[in-house]
Amino acid sequence: EADIYQTPRYLVIGTGKKITLECSQTMGHDKMYWYQQDPGMELHLIHYSYGVNSTEKGDLSSESTVSRIRTEHFPLTLESARPSHTSQYLCASSGPGVYGYTFGSGTRLTVV
Amino acid sequence: QQQVKQSPQSLIVQKGGISIINCAYENTAFDYFPWYQQFPGKGPALLIAIRPDVSEKKEGRFTISFNKSAKQFSLHIMDSQPGDSATYFCAATGSSYKLIFGSGTRLLVRP
Repeated sequence: EADIYQTPRYLVIGTGKKITLECSQTMGHDKMYWYQQDPGMELHLIHYSYGVNSTEKGDLSSESTVSRIRTEHFPLTLESARPSHTSQYLCASSGPGVYGYTFGSGTRLTVV
Repeated sequence: QQQVKQSPQSLIVQKGGISIINCAYENTAFDYFPWYQQFPGKGPALLIAIRPDVSEKKEGRFTISFNKSAKQFSLHIMDSQPGDSATYFCAATGSSYKLIFGSGTRLLVRP
């Protein structure tokens, strides 16, 4: 079944650790996105990609980085986690000429 | 120019009632307006969407009303059910494909 997968679902990690949040989709979508969702619900775009080797920063400044080496894979990395990075991170994708996104279930990150 | 303003922040409706959530946008280049539904522990899921060339779109109990001149659009949930209790987001985008989301509305439908 075509879908978008995020791992891990939950992560509790200490300050200063390097972490990578995984996102993979099986739909062949060309565009992928990372959103940060704060406790107040708002969704903020932090990174997006229109295809392999294409990545851009979103509207909300983030210390994270992303890569897009394969169409289906769009991991997000934090080199040194801080408590301010505690949030839910949502990955999404959309196909050619399609505006609607498919979202993953998210990774809830807690940095202690 | 990039904002999408959503109201109310929360809404309580009795079972069988009509739920109405409103959004307003500023950027006239936006040409796709979706609504997403999010349950706890899940990512948002596309519910219904509209383009500015129509004033209304209906899918089952869900209807989008669109007012291009006022730059406003709204979601109406008819015959609201407890299973509709979720967070609803409006959004807008244009040729960039980047969705700009509203701030969300928590809907609670009482039995």
